[in-house]
Amino acid sequence: NAGVTQTPKFQVLKTGQSMTLQCAQDMNHEYMSWYRQDPGMGLRLIHYSVGAGITDQGEVPNGYNVSRSTTEDFPLRLLSAAPSQTSVYFCASSYGQGSGSPLHFGNGTRLTVT
Amino acid sequence: GENVEQHPSTLSVQEGDSAVIKCTYSDSASNYFPWYKQELGKRPQLIIDIRSNVGEKKDQRIAVTLNKTAKHFSLHITETQPEDSAVYFCAATRNQFYFGTGTSLTVIP
Repeated sequence: NAGVTQTPKFQVLKTGQSMTLQCAQDMNHEYMSWYRQDPGMGLRLIHYSVGAGITDQGEVPNGYNVSRSTTEDFPLRLLSAAPSQTSVYFCASSYGQGSGSPLHFGNGTRLTVT
Repeated sequence: GENVEQHPSTLSVQEGDSAVIKCTYSDSASNYFPWYKQELGKRPQLIIDIRSNVGEKKDQRIAVTLNKTAKHFSLHITETQPEDSAVYFCAATRNQFYFGTGTSLTVIP
């Protein structure tokens, strides 16, 4: 099992550009989520999904879109990048919301917006 | 929603000493409490977890205790080693994972 795979590892964008961060898992996890990590702020939830076709907002959703067309994939779209979106982004999955099973994290994407 | 507070934000200990990190949570319905270790430039990785029907769990040098009445849980690392140096995150969960802001642990050889 590859676990949770994120691409790209690094990305530099100019303000106003759009891009998609890819996330795929091969563990048949129903629950998938996106976090951003900023110094001193811990891990903040952006969006999450409890299954294919179902998504919902987390703590900091503004400026981001998600979709879940399959169980395996959960891409995160930045619509119009802003310097405030410079961060490290982690995709994570688990067996189910409220299942008492841990989150498995991808290796992260370091995004810089200039 | 849930509010998780984690203390201290930084911690330095001598090799061989113990380290304790404490977290409090606000939602009494939270029922699962994982701890993650994140080395520099790496992803967070689960090191130990505890469920609300258990008061203590131990795995070699790492232990976690949970006090549901007081709504706090703690990570205990004994006989610390330089490779324990990392950032540690606690989380409280019911339907979502709510993370603390992390503790940067430095073990001084």
